[in-house]
Amino acid sequence: GEDVEQSLFLSVREGDSSVINCTYTDSSSTYLYWYKQEPGAGLQLLTYIFSNMDMKQDQRLTVLLNKKDKHLSLRIADTQTGDSAIYFCAERVPDKLIFGTGTRLQVFP
Amino acid sequence: EAQVTQNPRYLITVTGKKLTVTCSQNMNHEYMSWYRQDPGLGLRQIYYSMNVEVTDKGDVPEGYKVSRKEKRNFPLILESPSPNQTSLYFCASSFRGNTEAFFGQGTRLTVV
Repeated sequence: GEDVEQSLFLSVREGDSSVINCTYTDSSSTYLYWYKQEPGAGLQLLTYIFSNMDMKQDQRLTVLLNKKDKHLSLRIADTQTGDSAIYFCAERVPDKLIFGTGTRLQVFP
Repeated sequence: EAQVTQNPRYLITVTGKKLTVTCSQNMNHEYMSWYRQDPGLGLRQIYYSMNVEVTDKGDVPEGYKVSRKEKRNFPLILESPSPNQTSLYFCASSFRGNTEAFFGQGTRLTVV
């Protein structure tokens, strides 16, 4: 079946790195996405990775994909208070996107 | 500006009183969908539409209706709302069903 799982909470100190993890089950996924939801707002696409890649870097963001284990991670370097939000991973299957439960990242000074 | 617009942003209603949440997109996207977001459950798809006059059930369609008479609009209808439909609702659109989704700002619905 289709399922995407994330841990619910992550708390980090400002300036440290954050790593948000995601596991998925559908091996037909072609793209995997990370979305960010700030308080009171909708989801915005942060970054994505194509399933034949194993790493993608975009400024402070690094996405790692282990296709064998169906594991995706998002690393945020030098985490800032403005990074506090809920982060959703999503996998692309033939007809739709399947979203994870979301990880609430809290950054404290 | 490319956007997905939902209205209203906040709504409190009583059990059984029909309501409609509107959604409009200006990107000429074919695919539109509705999600509800509940704590610990992530985003669950309610209904989706692959094009005008084509709609289908998502994972949690019970108690909801939709219509797609025009490409840009995809209203969500609750004929007889119940308290278990209290949630945060998002409309999204994309070029196709499995391409990047653009989300509206959300509608927080409370049914008392």
